[in-house]
Amino acid sequence: SQQGEEDPQALSIQEGENATMNCSYKTSINNLQWYRQNSGRGLVHLILIRSNEREKHSGRLRVTLDTSKKSSSLLITASRAADTASYFCATGASNTGKLIFGQGTTLQVKP
Amino acid sequence: GAVVSQHPSWVICKSGTSVKIECRSLDFQATTMFWYRQFPKQSLMLMATSNEGSKATYEQGVEKDKFLINHASLTLSTLTVTSAHPEDSSFYICSADPGLADTDTQYFGPGTRLTVL
Repeated sequence: SQQGEEDPQALSIQEGENATMNCSYKTSINNLQWYRQNSGRGLVHLILIRSNEREKHSGRLRVTLDTSKKSSSLLITASRAADTASYFCATGASNTGKLIFGQGTTLQVKP
Repeated sequence: GAVVSQHPSWVICKSGTSVKIECRSLDFQATTMFWYRQFPKQSLMLMATSNEGSKATYEQGVEKDKFLINHASLTLSTLTVTSAHPEDSSFYICSADPGLADTDTQYFGPGTRLTVL
């Protein structure tokens, strides 16, 4: 079963704008990860944040994690047309290695 | 590094036939591999956890006799869709866990698109 939900389901912005995607989950986690998937392709790992971390940066990406609210957000700053893709959060359990994926947000960045 | 391949990248087959999909970790060993299925415009659904040298662990609702998983070596896991039907048409993605102590990152293959006619 799917762990959580993401919102918005779809997001359309202009190049240069920031994009924010949110993810909520239901159970205790060890870590939360964000992935990107271009249409019909495999997944690209973007960033991992552990349950004892609150914020993490990687280039134009900023991820926050609020374990009390069981939620995370992914911010892409200064978006580019090449950022157009689907973005998924995935939560990792402590001892199984399994990843449970959220429903995903489809981002369109217009040039 | 950390490259995972899948073969084939796409396959079209007739209803009733069996299809084998390979997942290989090219530059690392993976004691655990995972198989996911993704329907169009939907998220990835975990199907099973494949452990080298032992039986796979299937998620609830996934038929183990229909989706045969073999993890024969530390670099290869195979998924066989037996007696495929049109409803099995989907995008199948594997991932490999290098089992490193300080990371929970999995590495994903590029996926295999299965179309059953």
